[in-house]
Amino acid sequence: GAVVSQHPSRVICKSGTSVKIECRSLDFQATTMFWYRQFPKKSLMLMATSNEGSKATYEQGVEKDKFLINHASLTLSTLTVTSAHPEDSSFYICSASEGVAGVNEQFFGPGTRLTVL
Amino acid sequence: GQQLNQSPQSMFIQEGEDVSMNCTSSSIFNTWLWYKQEPGEGPVLLIALYKAGELTSNGRLTAQFGITRKDSFLNISASIPSDVGIYFCAGQLSFGNEKLTFGTGTRLTIIP
Repeated sequence: GAVVSQHPSRVICKSGTSVKIECRSLDFQATTMFWYRQFPKKSLMLMATSNEGSKATYEQGVEKDKFLINHASLTLSTLTVTSAHPEDSSFYICSASEGVAGVNEQFFGPGTRLTVL
Repeated sequence: GQQLNQSPQSMFIQEGEDVSMNCTSSSIFNTWLWYKQEPGEGPVLLIALYKAGELTSNGRLTAQFGITRKDSFLNISASIPSDVGIYFCAGQLSFGNEKLTFGTGTRLTIIP
């Protein structure tokens, strides 16, 4: 149980285009989803926290107009990188939590590798 | 953003050896977690620690939650080739606040 999927697994796009990444919880309802960014040989850095039906909370230094997050249902969150540039190339990982009281485990997706040319 | 400091940054060991790595923070965390990440994949939870002083095992893995709540260690006994990967510690500041702060990672390589 507790499977999280991401789509696509990898994407290559031209500079200036927008890219949408999907994160789905396959066998549970995720009240909270998290988006992380990981540069090569670096750690995971939290970008934003999203709760179903409300606006995402962004970490300091993350541009909310550039990284649009939508969490419209209990099983799907999307991250749209708008007007992507080469410096946005990274590994984007989502995680999902059921948010059950006393249980805080986050289940991670397999990641999406974004390359901006 | 804040990161937890892990050491060592990388380890090269022979199969069968024991491994020890640790994680320190300037802030108190109420939950410590250890994850393993393989290339091109998301992290997978290995061990979760919820109480200061707690010592927990999962097979060949043992982890402890420091008494000060500012550190944790992970030991792997009798390493095998599939232990290769990057190990991350992560902390949660307060119970119920699910936000995770990740460590800098320890890359484990096993020499044949």
